[in-house]
Amino acid sequence: NAGVMQNPRHLVRRRGQEARLRCSPMKGHSHVYWYRQLPEEGLKFMVYLQKENIIDESGMPKERFSAEFPKEGPSILRIQQVVRGDSAAYFCASSPRPLAGGQETQYFGPGTRLLVL
Amino acid sequence: AQTVTQSQPEMSVQEAETVTLSCTYDTSESDYYLFWYKQPPSRQMILVIRQEAYKQQNATENRFSVNFQKAAKSFSLKISDSQLGDAAMYFCAYSVDSSYKLIFGSGTRLLVRP
Repeated sequence: NAGVMQNPRHLVRRRGQEARLRCSPMKGHSHVYWYRQLPEEGLKFMVYLQKENIIDESGMPKERFSAEFPKEGPSILRIQQVVRGDSAAYFCASSPRPLAGGQETQYFGPGTRLLVL
Repeated sequence: AQTVTQSQPEMSVQEAETVTLSCTYDTSESDYYLFWYKQPPSRQMILVIRQEAYKQQNATENRFSVNFQKAAKSFSLKISDSQLGDAAMYFCAYSVDSSYKLIFGSGTRLLVRP
């Protein structure tokens, strides 16, 4: 069973460009979570999605950031008009059911390192 | 608000020795989960161990064990017989039962001396 896959692993963008980060959850997992890790910090929750639904985006910046998890295909985290402060590692995690109330654990992908020049 | 605090930015241990990493958290919830994740230089997040708050017994996974003190809101990780491959950043994380977000501490960098 393949783990959570993220691509690209490294992404370089110039200020003002768009960044698209992709996440394919583990087989059988329908819940996806995105986290951001700034240098020398812990991970910070951004958004939680189920298939075709955004459940909680309370950790997402109000502007320039969006996420989707379509019925078919990977989850996409999109950052428009990137700025240098967006440089970070972006991690995707998945679980078969919500973390709450059960025995589930979030399994993390290898992350995408975004560098904005 | 729930917070997770790791007060040790860096720890060092001799190979084959035992080390304990500290974690405290703040919550008013009664049902929650606690986790330790390892992040090696590859930066992959690897689950080390998890603990359900309603369980009094401390979780154990091979050389890794926790000391869960619910009243003190403390959740330390003990690594026995440390190996060079244990060198990594270790993050403590918390999730409340009615939510799904993981709240992470700032991490502890573990160095293992050969």
